[in-house]
Amino acid sequence: TQLLEQSPQFLSIQEGENLTVYCNSSSVFSSLQWYRQEPGEGPVLLVTVVTGGEVKKLKRLTFQFGDARKDSSLHITAAQPGDTGLYLCAGNRNYNQGGKLIFGQGTELSVKP
Amino acid sequence: NAGVTQTPKFRVLKTGQSMTLLCAQDMNHEYMYWYRQDPGMGLRLIHYSVGEGTTAKGEVPDGYNVSRLKKQNFLLGLESAAPSQTSVYFCASSRIQVQETQYFGPGTRLLVL
Repeated sequence: TQLLEQSPQFLSIQEGENLTVYCNSSSVFSSLQWYRQEPGEGPVLLVTVVTGGEVKKLKRLTFQFGDARKDSSLHITAAQPGDTGLYLCAGNRNYNQGGKLIFGQGTELSVKP
Repeated sequence: NAGVTQTPKFRVLKTGQSMTLLCAQDMNHEYMYWYRQDPGMGLRLIHYSVGEGTTAKGEVPDGYNVSRLKKQNFLLGLESAAPSQTSVYFCASSRIQVQETQYFGPGTRLLVL
């Protein structure tokens, strides 16, 4: 059973379209991170959200943490081919120390020119 | 800075053979982790370490052993490889504080025949 469910698992869109990726759980997380992974490389952190209801923007990417800290979303505006990659959400349930992350299955995004 | 490096990049093993994957980080991070990544499964934590000389089990530890004799190195061992251990293995490191970024290596692709 996956503790963090990402949807959709695959997404193929045209350049210029908008998209939203969801990361849902029945568990509460102290923080949630979004990583992006390109083929043949390790994941790279995009953002960390900590407070329920928090919204963070990174250029055309908007990240939101649910009010109850059980879910998160990633919205990309006017997607570009350079956005292509695997997007992973990861939750931290340890309030007292850093470390162990629980990852979602990932969303494979393909943006066609 | 090299960040997190992994050796080897690719390996083919026969069932029953053993091998050790090496991870090295030059960021003076306390925490280090070993993950495996399989299609549709995201990243799953195998073992992790919160400091030199300490190790702990993650989500999928069976069939693997680890050692952290030096702060900068984290070794993952497979004593008797099985086809189910065919995967891409990622090492990561982070500082102690909560919500810290995990920095990933480029991965080791392992095929067990």
